[in-house]
Amino acid sequence: AQKVTQAQTEISVVEKEDVTLDCVYETRDTTYYLFWYKQPPSGELVFLIRRNSFDEQNEISGRYSWNFQKSTSSFNFTITASQVVDSAVYFCALSTNTDKLIFGTGTRLQVFP
Amino acid sequence: DGGITQSPKYLFRKEGQNVTLSCEQNLNHDAMYWYRQDPGQGLRLIYYSQIVNDFQKGDIAEGYSVSREKKESFPLTVTSAQKNPTAFYLCASSRPIFPSGRTDTQYFGPGTRLTVL
Repeated sequence: AQKVTQAQTEISVVEKEDVTLDCVYETRDTTYYLFWYKQPPSGELVFLIRRNSFDEQNEISGRYSWNFQKSTSSFNFTITASQVVDSAVYFCALSTNTDKLIFGTGTRLQVFP
Repeated sequence: DGGITQSPKYLFRKEGQNVTLSCEQNLNHDAMYWYRQDPGQGLRLIYYSQIVNDFQKGDIAEGYSVSREKKESFPLTVTSAQKNPTAFYLCASSRPIFPSGRTDTQYFGPGTRLTVL
């Protein structure tokens, strides 16, 4: 079975705090892709990152960083020094050999000034 | 600018009516997808198309229909057979990755919010 679990339904932080969004996935495929998308209040899903299963190197992009660990089947997302504009719902997703995207249920992040 | 457009942004339907949601892309992507999002839930795949004149059912295709006559367009019809159509509908597209045939990252449109009155 293929599944993505985002156990954190909602997280609230104050501006400038660091926050980590958890993502745990399940798949038996050896080749797969993991994604993070951001959904602001406007509704459109904005692509943030794509990582393939053979690349466990962590990535940093500005205030965003991602920690991929195959040993724990996790692909966590950290926002450093959060800002109000980071408030959104964040989705983790998995794509395997069928090319279908399997989404988690999302984590709503609220950043208060 | 290249992108995906969906229209209308808001749509109201009376029970028993069919409605069609538009999705257009000018990214020259081969694959297109329709998802449904309900409050507090992730996205669920309705239909997808990897090439023109071909499409496959996703996980929740009952009560929906699609067509793919042009590469740029992938309209979704919500029929009266769909028991609970009130939801947020998102269209996406992606390009194939050669030579594997896998598809690349999916990019999404702004969505259509459908409400049944």
